[in-house]
Amino acid sequence: EVRLVESGGALVQPGGSLRLSCAASGFVFSDYSMVWARQAPGRGLEWLSYISGTGGTTYYADSVKGRFTSSRDNAKKFLYLQMTSLRAEDTAVYYCGREAQFDHWGQGTLVTVSS
Amino acid sequence: QLMVTQSPSASASLGASVRLTCTLDSGHSTYAIAWHQQQPEKGPRFLMRLNSDGSHTKGDGIPDRFSGSSSGAERYLIISSLQSDDEADYYCQTWGTGMVFGGGTKLTVL
Repeated sequence: EVRLVESGGALVQPGGSLRLSCAASGFVFSDYSMVWARQAPGRGLEWLSYISGTGGTTYYADSVKGRFTSSRDNAKKFLYLQMTSLRAEDTAVYYCGREAQFDHWGQGTLVTVSS
Repeated sequence: QLMVTQSPSASASLGASVRLTCTLDSGHSTYAIAWHQQQPEKGPRFLMRLNSDGSHTKGDGIPDRFSGSSSGAERYLIISSLQSDDEADYYCQTWGTGMVFGGGTKLTVL
């Protein structure tokens, strides 16, 4: 069974940093690209980033480009999202997903940016 | 620019069928999309990948009541025999060098 479990969400001050993790199981992790998306309170889904199976190709939404970095550890089967220069508008539930089509989703982790 | 557009709301009666529409921008009218369901207070769930020829691949455990079809730049999600727990937000999504979600359609089951 494919399973994705996010962790690392927290309350952080504006301007701060946070690293989210996504633990993958049930499939050959290195064979699949991975993605991040988020959902602000009461809002729709927003795609954030894409990383290829090898980690050699990444894409980012304009809203996070230069502030967020996606990486992966294929040996440990972990996906990461390093977030810096956080703003109040980054407050959201963050989800990891498998493949560009998000054919599997994690349960989400809440990030709150507030002083 | 890669874009998908959805109507913000739809409604249909219990036991009836409903068709939700996702429209690709004209420059990407042959692209595949994915449909996702988000029930209230839950995370999203992948329903299916839908290709331009109407062929589709459903996610794990998605019932036969959910199907898809395509016409030009439009991609449809058809839900038959509507049940109360089909009341949810439905998002379409596509991808290229980047991914994009539609704004979602809130389905009300009357």
